[in-house]
Amino acid sequence: ILNVEQSPQSLHVQEGDSTNFTCSFPSSNFYALHWYRWETAKSPEALFVMTLNGDEKKKGRISATLNTKEGYSYLYIKGSQPEDSATYLCACGGSQGNLIFGKGTKLSVKP
Amino acid sequence: ETGVTQSPTHLIKTRGQQVTLRCSSQSGHNTVSWYQQALGQGPQFIFQYYREEENGRGNFPPRFSGLQFPNYSSELNVNALELDDSALYLCASSTDNRGSIMYEQYFGPGTRLTVT
Repeated sequence: ILNVEQSPQSLHVQEGDSTNFTCSFPSSNFYALHWYRWETAKSPEALFVMTLNGDEKKKGRISATLNTKEGYSYLYIKGSQPEDSATYLCACGGSQGNLIFGKGTKLSVKP
Repeated sequence: ETGVTQSPTHLIKTRGQQVTLRCSSQSGHNTVSWYQQALGQGPQFIFQYYREEENGRGNFPPRFSGLQFPNYSSELNVNALELDDSALYLCASSTDNRGSIMYEQYFGPGTRLTVT
């Protein structure tokens, strides 16, 4: 059974701090790694989809890296803003065209 | 481009009852997946429909069933509701099931089901 782990479970930072979270997954039978940003009462929003070892993607102040050989991905947020407060989910692609999610990292950014 | 919509937003049912949740996929998408998110957990895959056929299923009992219609909208039906079925139910659409994990999936806001 493919198990996706995220750490930390929650994080409280001050506005302007840079932060990062980790997503760990089994390195065998890897298809793809997704990151989603999920604000309360809204739909999960796709941030990145990465498929190749060494992939690095960036969207504004948010970036992500992927290491499929050792089974981890990092999500970085530079200069956190209150509007970055959300739960960040990572998910691996499964063999049935499904996504296997971690439990998420809940980020709170204080002004 | 219309996003993924789900109805109803919230629902309260009694144990033993049946419920139907609805999802309208994003325009141009032919694949719909359903997920259950229980409190404190990540979303868990229920099943996926591609062009009106069930195309994959997670570890959920047969009382969870679904349909996809010719316009690619979808329903999730749950019979004989149990207290543990209380959760947020999410649907996601994508363009092609063969690549649905290789490309972004577009999620709806979810339906919050409470079973008492």
